[in-house]
Amino acid sequence: QVQLVESGGGVVQPGRSLRLSCAASGFTFSSNAMHWVRQAPGKGLEWVAIISFDGGSKYYADSVKGRFTISRDNSKNTLYLQINSLRAEDTAVYYCVREEDAFDIWGQGTMVTVSS
Amino acid sequence: QSALTQPASVSGSRGQSITISCTGTSSDVGSYNLVSWYQHHPGKAPKLLIYEDNKRPSGASDRFSGSKSGNTASLTISGLQAEDEADYCCCSYAGSSTWVFGGGTKVTVL
Repeated sequence: QVQLVESGGGVVQPGRSLRLSCAASGFTFSSNAMHWVRQAPGKGLEWVAIISFDGGSKYYADSVKGRFTISRDNSKNTLYLQINSLRAEDTAVYYCVREEDAFDIWGQGTMVTVSS
Repeated sequence: QSALTQPASVSGSRGQSITISCTGTSSDVGSYNLVSWYQHHPGKAPKLLIYEDNKRPSGASDRFSGSKSGNTASLTISGLQAEDEADYCCCSYAGSSTWVFGGGTKVTVL
């Protein structure tokens, strides 16, 4: 079945870096734009970034621009999010999301906690 | 990229109908027919309920319906059931390949 599985979260010190991964299965990964969306504890969902189906276009929320990098490897059916200079406010569950008729398929999320 | 405005909570009795509002601006909700709604049970993946303002994806219950007027979109849940108790969030395309979500609304079934 169609599935997205995130990994790579954990507890990280402020200022450090982290790379999240999202393994896709059950659909033609290379046909869809993909997004990262996050949810901080007790807060609503926040759109983070989008990458086009071929990786040629990338856009970011102002809150993460310059620190986050979205990428994909269509040969591995995998989406990535590189997070640099982590801050306390980056603490959140990070979701990998497929775009097809809006955000139609979501992963279970991976938790990132920024703490010293 | 300011968040869309939703009420923090809405409640209703089983069998009733409730409506959740989602207010944006002329730069997002009011400019595009691209409002979507999601149901989110804690600890689970969000589920798409409505897309393009008022379209239901296959598999979504017809008890959920969407509408929009100006800068405000709405989600109506008809025949409220116990399993509808969850968080509901709206989202709108905001131009320049960016999206914006609402703060979320907690629905309680009395």
